[in-house]
Amino acid sequence: DVKVTQSSRYLVKRTGEKVFLECVQDMDHENMFWYRQDPGLGLRLIYFSYDVKMKEKGDIPEGYSVSREKKERFSLILESASTNQTSMYLCASSFQAGGRYEQFFGPGTRLTVL
Amino acid sequence: GIQVEQSPPDLILQEGANSTLRCNFSDSVNNLQWFHQNPWGQLINLFYIPSGTKQNGRLSATTVATERYSLLYISSSQTTDSGVYFCAVGTGTASKLTFGTGTRLQVTL
Repeated sequence: DVKVTQSSRYLVKRTGEKVFLECVQDMDHENMFWYRQDPGLGLRLIYFSYDVKMKEKGDIPEGYSVSREKKERFSLILESASTNQTSMYLCASSFQAGGRYEQFFGPGTRLTVL
Repeated sequence: GIQVEQSPPDLILQEGANSTLRCNFSDSVNNLQWFHQNPWGQLINLFYIPSGTKQNGRLSATTVATERYSLLYISSSQTTDSGVYFCAVGTGTASKLTFGTGTRLQVTL
């Protein structure tokens, strides 16, 4: 079974703190993704990575950065957390080619910024 | 960008009833997935179905890519089927997903 894990289920941080959200997958997937989910706005793509050290902006990258130093690990970084970044963050991974684009999601991290 | 619309937005069923959820999308896709979001927020994969028909137990799905819609069928619904169902479509080489706004299903006794 595909397994995508996220470092925390719940996280509480203060405004201005630097926040790291970690995601690890065990299926040797090339693609990894970070989404956020907000009531009334649905799920939106923040960043994705298609290879180690490669990244592309999604629909809402402002205020975020990412790091992918190893194939299995994709980190989302909030350089200076703000209250409007309080949200549910979901990581996903998938293969890149061969028609196998199915994405698998981690359990999510509920981040509260006070 | 691509638009994804789901209907109905809300659905209340009695246990044992059948239902059909619809997903319309505005452009060609290379990925279409149906998810069930559980009460803890995790997205559970139901179907990967960019075209054709699949069945898994009481659930089945059909995607008609040429007409840009997909249907999710739930038969003999159970209370554990309650939750939010999302349709998401992907395009391009990385097949980034664009999500619909979901159908909130409540199954009552």
